[in-house]
Amino acid sequence: TQLLEQSPQFLSIQEGENLTVYCNSSSVFSSLQWYRQEPGEGPVLLVTVVTGGEVKKLKRLTFQFGDARKDSSLHITAAQPGDTGLYLCAGGRGSNYKLTFGKGTLLTVNP
Amino acid sequence: NAGVTQTPKFQVLKTGQSMTLQCAQDMNHNSMYWYRQDPGMGLRLIYYSASEGTTDKGEVPNGYNVSRLNKREFSLRLESAAPSQTSVYFCASRLGQGLYEQYFGPGTRLTVT
Repeated sequence: TQLLEQSPQFLSIQEGENLTVYCNSSSVFSSLQWYRQEPGEGPVLLVTVVTGGEVKKLKRLTFQFGDARKDSSLHITAAQPGDTGLYLCAGGRGSNYKLTFGKGTLLTVNP
Repeated sequence: NAGVTQTPKFQVLKTGQSMTLQCAQDMNHNSMYWYRQDPGMGLRLIYYSASEGTTDKGEVPNGYNVSRLNKREFSLRLESAAPSQTSVYFCASRLGQGLYEQYFGPGTRLTVT
């Protein structure tokens, strides 16, 4: 079983702070996705990374795929209350139709 | 485009009752998925359909059946609901063709009493 471990499980910070959440595995993935899920909604795709060492930026969010394609991080600069939600990483591998999901990091940004 | 739609949004069942959760996508995606999400357990795959005409079991298929009615629609049926099936159910779709991204519906919150 390919597992994706996310850390921390919970994170509560003040508006304006920076934070990093992690997604780690012992397996290599062909690509890795990050999703954000708000309460009462389905997960929404934020980004896909496919190349080892790749860095993608989405406004204040920076995503990095590890060189060995086994891990990824999400860094948020100057967090805002609107960033509050459950952040999920998911990995795809080869011709497998299924994604492996982490259990998520629940982020709360307090005003 | 509506993306992935699910009905109903909320449902309460009594133990032993049956129901079908409906899912449709308008993105011409090839693969469709049903997940359940429970606190502390993350998203768990119930069934998936890699392409029209095929279905396969996921991680937690017991107590569920699915039908891939056509390319757009993928339904999930609970034949005899149990309290352990109280959960939030999400349908998702994926284009395929080497792309892994899945797109999720808004979910159905099911309570079985």
